Amino acid sequence: NAGVTQTPKFRVLKTGQSMTLLCAQDMNHEYMYWYRQDPGMGLRLIHYSVGEGTTAKGEVPDGYNVSRLKKQNFLLGLESAAPSQTSVYFCASNTVSIYNQGGELFFGEGSRLTVL
Amino acid sequence: KNEVEQSPQNLTAQEGEFITINCSYSVGISALHWLQQHPGGGIVSLFMLSSGKKKHGRLIATINIQEKHSSLHITASHPRDSAVYICAVPHYPGGGADGLTFGKGTHLIIQP
Repeated sequence: NAGVTQTPKFRVLKTGQSMTLLCAQDMNHEYMYWYRQDPGMGLRLIHYSVGEGTTAKGEVPDGYNVSRLKKQNFLLGLESAAPSQTSVYFCASNTVSIYNQGGELFFGEGSRLTVL
Repeated sequence: KNEVEQSPQNLTAQEGEFITINCSYSVGISALHWLQQHPGGGIVSLFMLSSGKKKHGRLIATINIQEKHSSLHITASHPRDSAVYICAVPHYPGGGADGLTFGKGTHLIIQP
C-alpha cells in the first residue's frame, strides 16, 4: 500500500535551474493537489487537478507549472527556480472534492527543496 | 476566501491531561478537516466533519457551524500525541479553487 509517493524527497537547486517533482498515487483518486509549507505559515495551494488531463491554479501558482497526463501522476515543475521557492512541498489526493462530504485526504511525505 | 485562526499556537502539557485545540474560520463551510503533522513532517487526516461531533479513539472533534468554530480534544494525552495539529477549511466555500485554507497549526508537546 504505497498511498501517495513524492519524489525526490530532497533537492538543492541553483537559481535559474529547472526541476520536476513527481506525485504518484495508487488509490485511483480523481483529485490531486500540490501545496507548499513555509515556516510560520499554513500550507498554501499551488495547483490542483480534478481529473486526468485537467489542471487549475490555486492560491500561489506563479513560477510553477503542472501536468496530469495520467490519472495516478501529478507533476509540479519549476522552470526557473528562485530562492523564494525554497519550501517543503506536499502532494495530496482525495476521492472527492473538498466541498463534498466523505472521502479522505491522503498526503505524501513531502519534498524539501532548497534554491540557492 | 476563507481565513482560519487556530489557538493556542503552542501547548505543552503533562501526560494524562485533557487537551483542547481551537479553530475559527471566517466564511461558512460544508466541511472542516483536522490534520496531524508528525515531527518527521508527514501529514495524516484525522477528521472531516460538517456538523456535531466525531470520535476516534482518544480524539474528539466538534464543530459549531453557526459560530464558525471547531475544537479538537485529546483525552488522556500521551507523549506520542506530540505533533502539530492543523485545521483546514475550503478555500472558497461558495465554489472555486478546489483546495483548502490551512491554519498555521498548534504545536503540541506532551511531557511524560
